[in-house]
This record gives sequence, C-alpha cells and structure tokens, in this order.
Amino acid sequence: AQTVTQSQPEMSVQEAETVTLSCTYDTSESDYYLFWYKQPPSRQMILVIRQEAYKQQNATENRFSVNFQKAAKSFSLKISDSQLGDAAMYFCAHIIQGAQKLVFGQGTRLTINP
Amino acid sequence: GAVVSQHPSWVICKSGTSVKIECRSLDFQATTMFWYRQFPKQSLMLMATSNEGSKATYEQGVEKDKFLINHASLTLSTLTVTSAHPEDSSFYICSATSGRSFNEQFFGPGTRLTVL
Repeated sequence: AQTVTQSQPEMSVQEAETVTLSCTYDTSESDYYLFWYKQPPSRQMILVIRQEAYKQQNATENRFSVNFQKAAKSFSLKISDSQLGDAAMYFCAHIIQGAQKLVFGQGTRLTINP
Repeated sequence: GAVVSQHPSWVICKSGTSVKIECRSLDFQATTMFWYRQFPKQSLMLMATSNEGSKATYEQGVEKDKFLINHASLTLSTLTVTSAHPEDSSFYICSATSGRSFNEQFFGPGTRLTVL
C-alpha cells in the first residue's frame, strides 16, 4: 500500500532564510508522481510543485525546489528566501500513474518569523 | 483555468437534518471528482471517488448511506450529509480531475459544516 510520511509536524524559519521540509513515501510502483501542496489559513489547497518519477531532474518553481531521491523514496521541498506568505500547512502527496487516489502525508505546519 | 468551486463555503445545521454541498468545475469537464474530509490540524482523508454517470466508490469506513454522492454531470458533484450529527462537523473539500490525467487534482475552497 502507498504511504506518505512527513516527520516534521512543525517547522519555523526566519523571513528570507531557507527551509527544507521532509517527505518519504513507500510504493512498489516505478511510475508515479509526487506533489507538494500548500494549505494557507484560507484552507484552499494550492499546488506548489510536481515531480514525475521518471524524470531525474529535480523540479523547480521559482523559490520552490525539490530534492527527489528515488532510490531512497525521499521527496523534500526547499523554500528559498522565505516570505511571510509562505506560512501554511504543507502536504506531500503521491499518486501512482493510472491510479485515481492521491495519498497525502500528515502535513507540516510552517511558520515564518519576521 | 482549472477552477473548482464549492457551495456553500460554510453551513450550520441542526442535528437530524440533511445538508447538501455542491462541487463545480467551472472551466473544464470533470470526469472524476473526489470528496475529502479534514479535521482540524490533520491531513485530508479521502471519503469517496465519484465518476460522472456512475456510482461513487467509497473508502473503507465511510458510510455510503450517510454521505450520499451524486455526479450527475461533467461539471457538478454533490455530497449530501444525511441525518447530520455533531460528529459530522468537519471541513469538506472536493477536487476534480479532467480524466486526461489523474496526475493533478484541482481543489475546491472547501465547506465548513457545523452541526448543532
């Protein structure tokens, strides 16, 4: 069965600094996708970044980048130059190619200190 | 593009009544919609998967007679909480995918249900 684990319930970082959120997953499949979603206080789920498992290159979206280690089944999110608006719950998620279910991790609450 | 709306954004009802929540894809055809439940400070829990024109598939432990899901068109799915009780109070989120790829789900803004 698919599982996604976020071992950091809470993280905090100073504004303008860099923070890394951890995520590990477990699957026996080789073709899948990984996501990081942001859920701000409004509770609207926002896609931050997506990684296809078949791509070796780590995905990057402006200040957000991932470190995808397929063999280790690790998918961490790095936020550079943290901004106050980055404060939110961050969820790591995984879906197998061809499947319907998106499996979420437990979430990490990120606080940005001014 | 890829906007999903939910209505209402919040609702308060009395115990024993039924409440309907709508989920609409505004600018794409959603062949599959998903309903999640989220408790405070917790992750999203998938309740059911709804495919247009067919019966919903419920996750283990979710009462299909309590949480009625209808996906009658390619742009609308509804979740009806029947005979609501205080323990049904929660944040309900829907998401939708176009069917071309399940790789990305587009989420609605959620509905907060409070049962008195």
